[in-house]
Amino acid sequence: LAKTTQPISMDSYEGQEVNITCSHNNIATNDYITWYQQFPSQGPRFIIQGYKTKVTNEVASLFIPADRKSSTLSLPRVSLSDTAVYYCLVGDTGRRALTFGSGTRLQVQP
Amino acid sequence: NAGVTQTPKFRVLKTGQSMTLLCAQDMNHEYMYWYRQDPGMGLRLIHYSVGEGTTAKGEVPDGYNVSRLKKQNFLLGLESAAPSQTSVYFCASSPPGNVYNEQFFGPGTRLTVL
Repeated sequence: LAKTTQPISMDSYEGQEVNITCSHNNIATNDYITWYQQFPSQGPRFIIQGYKTKVTNEVASLFIPADRKSSTLSLPRVSLSDTAVYYCLVGDTGRRALTFGSGTRLQVQP
Repeated sequence: NAGVTQTPKFRVLKTGQSMTLLCAQDMNHEYMYWYRQDPGMGLRLIHYSVGEGTTAKGEVPDGYNVSRLKKQNFLLGLESAAPSQTSVYFCASSPPGNVYNEQFFGPGTRLTVL
């Protein structure tokens, strides 16, 4: 099981782009990289998933270099409502459950 | 669609008491999960189910039991509550196939054991 390492916390201001990097040196060939977002007093919410290169959706972009040993979640023009904990998860298609680390606590200031 | 709902939202128990947490989903998902989240920590998997009538242990199953008698419901039981089980409990569901298909989480149940 690939272990992930991400910063404990980050601060930003409204309107800025935020990049959260996750390290997963032991990622396996079949592993996907998935990011979840959790607001206070709520359950996590799926943001984005990728295998390699770049993935973009209406919420975020996910950049994965060729060696796949790290990934970067990019949130464009953050607002106060993006204040949350962001979890990076890595796992293969055969697993039946998610393993969450401690996540990155993003605080967006006005 | 209500999505994933959890009952109750809050509960206070005394050590040794028992209780059952109910999770219900209306998305016809095959897979359902119970997680716990302690303050400042990520979620840890307690038990999960890949279909009606089947359950399996997760990372921290001790002190908990589960049942999946109906596809839409997943029950988590505490037979003899302990203070160490004070936590927020989240239920989730997902469609079959790749486990990293999106998991849909409920709002959580905040449990305090005195």
